Amino acid sequence: ILNVEQSPQSLHVQEGDSTNFTCSFPSSNFYALHWYRWETAKSPEALFVMTLNGDEKKKGRISATLNTKEGYSYLYIKGSQPEDSATYLCASPTGANNLFFGTGTRLTVIP
Amino acid sequence: SAVISQKPSRDICQRGTSLTIQCQVDSQVTMMFWYRQQPGQSLTLIATANQGSEATYESGFVIDKFPISRPNLTFSTLTVSNMSPEDSSIYLCSVGEGPYNEQFFGPGTRLTVL
Repeated sequence: ILNVEQSPQSLHVQEGDSTNFTCSFPSSNFYALHWYRWETAKSPEALFVMTLNGDEKKKGRISATLNTKEGYSYLYIKGSQPEDSATYLCASPTGANNLFFGTGTRLTVIP
Repeated sequence: SAVISQKPSRDICQRGTSLTIQCQVDSQVTMMFWYRQQPGQSLTLIATANQGSEATYESGFVIDKFPISRPNLTFSTLTVSNMSPEDSSIYLCSVGEGPYNEQFFGPGTRLTVL
C-alpha cells in the first residue's frame, strides 16, 4: 500500500484567480505520478502522467510539476473558471498495474 | 482512448441483496480494473479482471464478496454480494493504456444500500 496524500481537501476560489494544490507520495521506488480530474456525474479524466524528476506538463490553463526526490507534485490552475470545478485526484503506482489514489482536492470556482 | 460504458448508473438496494454492475469497452483490452470510492475515502482498487483467468483481488477484497466475470476482451461484471450499508459507494471500471497504466474510467455506478 502506498500512502498518497493531497492537500487541501477542498478549496473555494473566485473566478479568475489562480490556484494550486499538492500531492505527496513516497519518494522511494518512484514509478510515476498521475493526475486526474473528476467532475460531478462524469468519469474521472486523465490530465497528466509524470515520470521524471523536474517534469513540468501543461494542458491549457492547467500545469503540473514533479519532484520525485522530495515526493511531491503541484497542480496549478491559472485564471480559474467555473468549469474547472471538480475533484482533482493524484495517484501513484507501485508498478505497472496498481494505482494508489489520494483522497482528492475538491475545487469550487465561484463565478 | 477507450470509451467505456457502465450500467446501472445508480441503484438503491436493500441490505442482504446483491447487485451486478456491467462494464463494456469499445475495444479489446487485456486487463480491466474495478475501483470503489466510499464517501470521503480514496478511490481504491478492488481487483484486476483478466480475460481467461480469475480476477486478482487487492488486500481487503475477496471473491465471495465481489465476484467478477470477464467472459471476453470487451466486457466485465462486478457483483457486490450480500450488501450492507458499508457497501454504499461509487463503483468504477477502467482500462489502462501505455507503460504507466494511464486509466480511462467508465461513468461509474452510484450504489446506496439501505
